[in-house]
Amino acid sequence: QSALTQPASVSGSPGQSITISCTGTSSDVGGYKYVSWYQQHPGKAPKLMIYDVSNRPSGVSNRFSGSKSGNTASLTISGLQAEDEADYYCSSYTSSSTLGVFGGGTKLTVL
Amino acid sequence: EVQLVQSGAEVKKPGESLKISCKGSGYRFTTSWIGWMRQMPGKGLEWMGIIYPGDSDTRYSPSFQGQVTISADKSISTAYLQWSSLKASDSAMYFCARDSSGYYRLDLWGQGTLVTVSS
Repeated sequence: QSALTQPASVSGSPGQSITISCTGTSSDVGGYKYVSWYQQHPGKAPKLMIYDVSNRPSGVSNRFSGSKSGNTASLTISGLQAEDEADYYCSSYTSSSTLGVFGGGTKLTVL
Repeated sequence: EVQLVQSGAEVKKPGESLKISCKGSGYRFTTSWIGWMRQMPGKGLEWMGIIYPGDSDTRYSPSFQGQVTISADKSISTAYLQWSSLKASDSAMYFCARDSSGYYRLDLWGQGTLVTVSS
């Protein structure tokens, strides 16, 4: 069982917005600003999309945004496009381990 | 170009040893952590461990402590993940990734190494 809880799947139509949640505890998501989000297309390596809760690396579309409230972080994708269909993983620094923790992943389907 | 390049796919038998690699280029290899992640077929990402090539400080997930060895050779900007005796359950995709923040922000990933263990 993953330390961070994500919905198994979400879906949306092109042009719509979707939000993926990532729930942890005060020892990880709730206690630190070090939440990241990764996108993974089938057969490919993960790609960093959001870091430190809400920052986008250079080159990542501004359609991707991140936020946090209490022990839950969220990734929002606006103006859904077919290319956004992928698995998304959240990750956080945690005081409970010498390593980070991942969520179980969410499969995004663009209808 | 800033990149991590992993060694190629491997097919091994149970009980055999294996060492896979992750070579960094285009950045100062010694000043960023390199993490190793496992992804079993159809499953999510799991932390295995992390190493700081500058001084070889290494940390393992309790799930992988004693099962694998992580090392690095800073002279050739390469990190390694090795097994002394593979099991069928080690069949998975393995990714290396750079943590340049020290807080598990993995901003650069290798392409992955597929390991298949079968008799």
